[in-house]
Amino acid sequence: QKEVEQNSGPLSVPEGAIASLNCTYSDRGSQSFFWYRQYSGKSPELIMSIYSNGDKEDGRFTAQLNKASQYVSLLIRDSQPSDSATYLCAVYSGGGADGLTFGKGTHLIIQP
Amino acid sequence: DVKVTQSSRYLVKRTGEKVFLECVQDMDHENMFWYRQDPGLGLRLIYFSYDVKMKEKGDIPEGYSVSREKKERFSLILESASTNQTSMYLCASSVNRVGYTFGSGTRLTVV
Repeated sequence: QKEVEQNSGPLSVPEGAIASLNCTYSDRGSQSFFWYRQYSGKSPELIMSIYSNGDKEDGRFTAQLNKASQYVSLLIRDSQPSDSATYLCAVYSGGGADGLTFGKGTHLIIQP
Repeated sequence: DVKVTQSSRYLVKRTGEKVFLECVQDMDHENMFWYRQDPGLGLRLIYFSYDVKMKEKGDIPEGYSVSREKKERFSLILESASTNQTSMYLCASSVNRVGYTFGSGTRLTVV
């Protein structure tokens, strides 16, 4: 059973600080990793993807991948109240139909 | 911009009704998925399809069926709606492991 684990939160971070979201996965053969943002009542939106070890930066977002530790993280710099949402980690482990395994998400609250 | 369109944003149906949820994508993606999302349970895969007329069961297919007659359209069917099928239903499509694009979701209430 492939598993993706996230702390459900809520994670409360003051405005302007760095928010750090973490995810671990069970399948060592996993190949692709994604972060989705989901606002309350809305559908998930892809914000970051990462495929190799190290860091990938896009604006205020940085995804970090460590395949040896089976760990992926998302850093949000200069956090804004509009970043308050649930963040879903998703992992592709091969197999049919491009299937992703999703974590249950971390609820992030940015306090003004 | 790529789009996945779900036909209804909100639906209210009666117990025992047959319910159709429609999903259309304009990206020529091979893979399409139906999920339901419930508080505390996360996203749960109901069915997916990797080609026209092909379908595969996900983790919770009981009480559901699907149809994919055309590449761009993937329909979810609740054969006889029950109250425990009240949920947010999300359609998604993908190609080449670049991540899913989700539709806006259908919040279904069965009374």
